[in-house]
Amino acid sequence: KAGVTQTPRYLIKTRGQQVTLSCSPISGHRSVSWYQQTPGQGLQFLFEYFSETQRNKGNFPGRFSGRQFSNSRSEMNVSTLELGDSALYLCASSFTGWNSPLHFGNGTRLTVT
Amino acid sequence: EDKVVQSPLSLVVHEGDTVTLNCSYEVTNFRSLLWYKQEKKAPTFLFMLTSSGIEKKSGRLSSILDKKELFSILNITATQTGDSAVYLCAVTMNYGGSQGNLIFGKGTKLSVKP
Repeated sequence: KAGVTQTPRYLIKTRGQQVTLSCSPISGHRSVSWYQQTPGQGLQFLFEYFSETQRNKGNFPGRFSGRQFSNSRSEMNVSTLELGDSALYLCASSFTGWNSPLHFGNGTRLTVT
Repeated sequence: EDKVVQSPLSLVVHEGDTVTLNCSYEVTNFRSLLWYKQEKKAPTFLFMLTSSGIEKKSGRLSSILDKKELFSILNITATQTGDSAVYLCAVTMNYGGSQGNLIFGKGTKLSVKP
């Protein structure tokens, strides 16, 4: 069974630009969550989608948004990039989100210059 | 404020040693505690614990949860260099009825020397 796939693996953007990251969950998984990982803050929850609906949202500004498609694939968008947005963005999927562990992708490394 | 605290932050041992990693938590409406191993990129799932006192084992790794004292430990026996990684502890809550929202600790970086 293929794991969680994230594209692209690496991105370099400049301040003020926007970026879109993509995530394909494990086949059959309907819940997709996004996390930001930085050396200082560790892993922080961004949002979760289930059946194309945002089910939970973390404490991030509105510049961070996401969506989920009918095939459970998800995208995350960051607008008006800031230097502090440089991080590893991890996507995770689970079957339903209820008592089923998250399985993570390898992440997208975003560098903002 | 909900939080998860792991200790120690880093640990250096030699092959064959036994290590114990600690995770304490303060969250409202606790649901489950999970352990992950992160070597390079993707954290890989190790254990999910929901009940106190029931040890979960997988090979040389084991973990137990104490819901009264609000902590969990992860034990690794007969460590190998391949165990070198960051071990992450995370907690989920019943709020929102979803396990997609994990609160992570900062992790314990384990280095196993040959």
